[in-house]
Amino acid sequence: NAGVTQTPKFRILKIGQSMTLQCAQDMNHNYMYWYRQDPGMGLKLIYYSVGAGITDKGEVPNGYNVSRSTTEDFPLRLELAAPSQTSVYFCASSYSGSNQPQHFGDGTRLSIL
Amino acid sequence: AQKITQTQPGMFVQEKEAVTLDCTYDTSDPSYGLFWYKQPSSGEMIFLIYQGSYDQQNATEGRYSLNFQKARKSANLVISASQLGDSAMYFCAMRVGGGSNYKLTFGKGTLLTVNP
Repeated sequence: NAGVTQTPKFRILKIGQSMTLQCAQDMNHNYMYWYRQDPGMGLKLIYYSVGAGITDKGEVPNGYNVSRSTTEDFPLRLELAAPSQTSVYFCASSYSGSNQPQHFGDGTRLSIL
Repeated sequence: AQKITQTQPGMFVQEKEAVTLDCTYDTSDPSYGLFWYKQPSSGEMIFLIYQGSYDQQNATEGRYSLNFQKARKSANLVISASQLGDSAMYFCAMRVGGGSNYKLTFGKGTLLTVNP
């Protein structure tokens, strides 16, 4: 099973460039999430989605946008990359249900120079 | 606001011994869930164990168990018979409330090193 697939695995961007981080899951999960992990820190929620067409802001949404046109895909868009967005980005998905664990992708390591 | 505190930045344990990783949480909501994840040096996040606030018994999953002390607001992870492959970063996370709120708040993590 593929689970949660993130692409690319690594990327270097120049300040002001834009890019889209891709995330796809094949587990038919309703819920999907984007987190960032800064060095020595836990994960912080950027955006999440409870189903196709529905998205909402998390703890640190500034500088990012998301869309959810299908159940499977949940891309994260950076419009004007800034050095503060250098981080490791994780996509996750879960079934609805308060005791359901989130399943994570392998992460995208992004550097803004 | 919800908060997860992991006070041990790093822990060392000898192979085959047990180790306890601390996690305390702060919430005023009576309905919550606590999750532990493992992050090896390769970077992926692996779900280990879950404890719900209304669960009567401490959760167990193979060599992992959760020492859940509700009055103290602690949910410590116990790893029995440590293996070299247990060396990793461990994160405690909390989901607060019911309904459609499945957002997780993470602690800063504990780096566990298992010595041969």
